[in-house]
Amino acid sequence: AQSVSQHNHHVILSEAASLELGCNYSYGGTVNLFWYVQYPGQHLQLLLKYFSGDPLVKGIKGFEAEFIKSKFSFNLRKPSVQWSDTAEYFCAVNRGSQGNLIFGKGTKLSVKP
Amino acid sequence: NAGVTQTPKFQVLKTGQSMTLQCAQDMNHEYMSWYRQDPGMGLRLIHYSVGAGITDQGEVPNGYNVSRSTTEDFPLRLLSAAPSQTSVYFCASSYKRVDTQYFGPGTRLTVL
Repeated sequence: AQSVSQHNHHVILSEAASLELGCNYSYGGTVNLFWYVQYPGQHLQLLLKYFSGDPLVKGIKGFEAEFIKSKFSFNLRKPSVQWSDTAEYFCAVNRGSQGNLIFGKGTKLSVKP
Repeated sequence: NAGVTQTPKFQVLKTGQSMTLQCAQDMNHEYMSWYRQDPGMGLRLIHYSVGAGITDQGEVPNGYNVSRSTTEDFPLRLLSAAPSQTSVYFCASSYKRVDTQYFGPGTRLTVL
């Protein structure tokens, strides 16, 4: 069965530190990749997505992610985090054109001011 | 556009009670889905629909029913609530199955 793994359960950073959150998936065929963010008490919002083309994808609020097909990875990065980035981050994968969205278990990011 | 709306926001049930969580979208999306979110588990798909009149099971469908009589509405029914169904429930919609999903604000359900 397809699965999505997020390596870190909880990441704690100081403001201005760089961020990288790992995401790996297990399916070898065509995939569509997403990062969603959930701010405290709010619903999920799309940060960025990859369907095809340039494997380096830029999203909102300075986030970017790189799709590395050979490593089955789609890691999320931000060069300098802010306190307002405190949230839970979810990686999600669609398989091909018929698959439902499969979510990772999430990574909670806490940014200290 | 209101986007995806869900009611109620909070609900407390006793074991064995039934209820319906409401979900509506005004974006003319074909695909709608229900997830439950539990701590440390991420979001797990309960049921989904690819269009009016078409529904199917997701990863954790037991104890839940859905129907899709219109494009706009996708209610989730708990047949006989159990404490294991205590969770936060999110409804989502998208133009098609593989597309950005837009999420509702969620319903926090507690089953005693």
